[in-house]
Amino acid sequence: EPEVTQTPSHQVTQMGQEVILRCVPISNHLYFYWYRQILGQKVEFLVSFYNNEISEKSEIFDDQFSVERPDGSNFTLKIRSTKLEDSAMYFCASSEAPGGASETQYFGPGTRLLVL
Amino acid sequence: AQKVTQAQTEISVVEKEDVTLDCVYETRDTTYYLFWYKQPPSGELVFLIRRNSFDEQNEISGRYSWNFQKSTSSFNFTITASQVVDSAVYFCARRTQGGSEKLVFGKGTKLTVNP
Repeated sequence: EPEVTQTPSHQVTQMGQEVILRCVPISNHLYFYWYRQILGQKVEFLVSFYNNEISEKSEIFDDQFSVERPDGSNFTLKIRSTKLEDSAMYFCASSEAPGGASETQYFGPGTRLLVL
Repeated sequence: AQKVTQAQTEISVVEKEDVTLDCVYETRDTTYYLFWYKQPPSGELVFLIRRNSFDEQNEISGRYSWNFQKSTSSFNFTITASQVVDSAVYFCARRTQGGSEKLVFGKGTKLTVNP
């Protein structure tokens, strides 16, 4: 069964460093998302991406964050200058399209980011 | 954002007991989607079910069943004859059709099934 994959599974970085989290969405999906989950808390939406542009972003997704689809398969989240409070599990998700059976967002296994 | 409330923070049961996880959602929309996801200790988010607001039919899938009631804005999840492998955090989420694409999650209910 097709699945969303994410790399790396864990990343440790120093405060102020740039990190890039990578995702390979399900191949026929058109909508891509990033969410994050601070340890022990709920899952929060960061950004959605469609047709090579951001379609929606949350107040968390400030100028330090960016997303890109550099080729036909990868979808990346970049944090330019990490802060301690960026430590979290980051989930990538994809959906075929809004509406009907294709509405469901399928999540990857997550990247656990630790900023020291 | 329209909230999703999971009032039960943690539930602990003994294997083979039935357990119901509550979810109450806010909505001003006519059409929306509701979801349940499971997060086992390994951390991934596993999709369990999606429900459309215009389909109030309850659903049973093996030991899992869902009770969707628009009158009380609830979408509760029952596990029958729980097993240790059911131990996880369960999240309820909602999405508006035709509007924002984001999923709004509840805070989750941590279920522990003891042998």
